Amino acid sequence: GNSVTQMEGPVTLSEEAFLTINCTYTATGYPSLFWYVQYPGEGLQLLLKATKADDKGSNKGFEATYRKETTSFHLEKGSVQVSDSAVYFCALSDLGGTQGGSEKLVFGKGTKLTVNP
Amino acid sequence: DTEVTQTPKHLVMGMTNKKSLKCEQHMGHRAMYWYKQKAKKPPELMFVYSYEKLSINESVPSRFSPECPNSSLLNLHLHALQPEDSALYLCASSREGYRTTNEKLFFGSGTQLSVL
Repeated sequence: GNSVTQMEGPVTLSEEAFLTINCTYTATGYPSLFWYVQYPGEGLQLLLKATKADDKGSNKGFEATYRKETTSFHLEKGSVQVSDSAVYFCALSDLGGTQGGSEKLVFGKGTKLTVNP
Repeated sequence: DTEVTQTPKHLVMGMTNKKSLKCEQHMGHRAMYWYKQKAKKPPELMFVYSYEKLSINESVPSRFSPECPNSSLLNLHLHALQPEDSALYLCASSREGYRTTNEKLFFGSGTQLSVL
């Protein structure tokens, strides 16, 4: 079945540090890939997405590239800010594949990021 | 209006109570979702309505009963809940019907439910 594996957190960085949160996936078809962010006390917000191999999603200084050869969608940001402190979820959505795929949005377990001033 | 609004924000209920969670969106979205999120866990899908019809029920216990009165509203009726049902309940919507893979989900802020 489809699954998403994220790096274990929590991650603690100083302001302006470089961020990488690893995400790998398993899917039967050709999934779309997403990063969602959840700030404290709020629901999830879409941060970025990519719908096919080699696509790069970007938003608010965050980037992630859909790598089919390594089945990865790692999230990166060159210089984090205190306001980036949140929980980040990698997710996939897959309709296709020889086994029918899954219509569900499958989430990873989430990675908590804390950025200190 | 690009928001999904959920009420109440917080709810405390006993195991014999009946309560309802409400969700509203005025973006003309065709699919609406209920998710359950336990602390420090990812959201888990419960129900999906697509074009006002129940499309997905993820084997949710019958003490949770969804209702979609119209395309803008989604309710979750609660009855005889257990303490382990305490969680953040998130509503979400998407523009197209459920079978579109790359649709963005818009989430509400959730209802934090505590069952005593």
